[in-house]
Amino acid sequence: GAGVSQSPSNKVTEKGKDVELRCDPISGHTALYWYRQSLGQGLEFLIYFQGNSAPDKSGLPSDRFSAERTGGSVSTLTIQRTQQEDSAVYLCASSFALWRGQGQFFGPGTRLTVL
Amino acid sequence: AQKVTQAQTEISVVEKEDVTLDCVYETRDTTYYLFWYKQPPSGELVFLIRRNSFDEQNEISGRYSWNFQKSTSSFNFTITASQVVDSAVYFCALSIGGYNKLIFGAGTRLAVHP
Repeated sequence: GAGVSQSPSNKVTEKGKDVELRCDPISGHTALYWYRQSLGQGLEFLIYFQGNSAPDKSGLPSDRFSAERTGGSVSTLTIQRTQQEDSAVYLCASSFALWRGQGQFFGPGTRLTVL
Repeated sequence: AQKVTQAQTEISVVEKEDVTLDCVYETRDTTYYLFWYKQPPSGELVFLIRRNSFDEQNEISGRYSWNFQKSTSSFNFTITASQVVDSAVYFCALSIGGYNKLIFGAGTRLAVHP
């Protein structure tokens, strides 16, 4: 597709359940990022993947959060044993190398609500 | 440590006014990138501009202009002759190195009234 796509657009789950959020980056982009946006914390970096390098997981808030990127393209963010504080909009972005003069392009996000 | 400060939480203007959104950043790295993003009510973050630390030239794109000053660690964004469609939350962000995370400011909510 032309832009970054994310699914589902909305997810409501019960506390303690696991959820998976999917991101399809722009074709050809080598870098993929996950962020989350919540009222109290603003926009926070979670994790990023660059080619075959080890991902930068420095933003993951706890070991309940994990992500993988298969085949250098699609990525899945998994949250295990969800808590109410996990409620947020989870944003995926992708980019070429920054030296190419472009920014990170964001998808529409997945709104996660944990009841 | 790296940090981005957008001191203006909310700005309200009347259509056709000029408005400047402030952004101050902190980093000890000499190679970095600065960004502005727009988040309209629909929610999707829209990329506006990227500037690298070695290029202090100001940039103009239509009604938008950006003023990068390393001496004051600022990267301010001006909208000339604002329009209602400019109403959105605007985020300034900082990235270190070539492939790194964006560090966002808290955002400035701009409301342009007819």
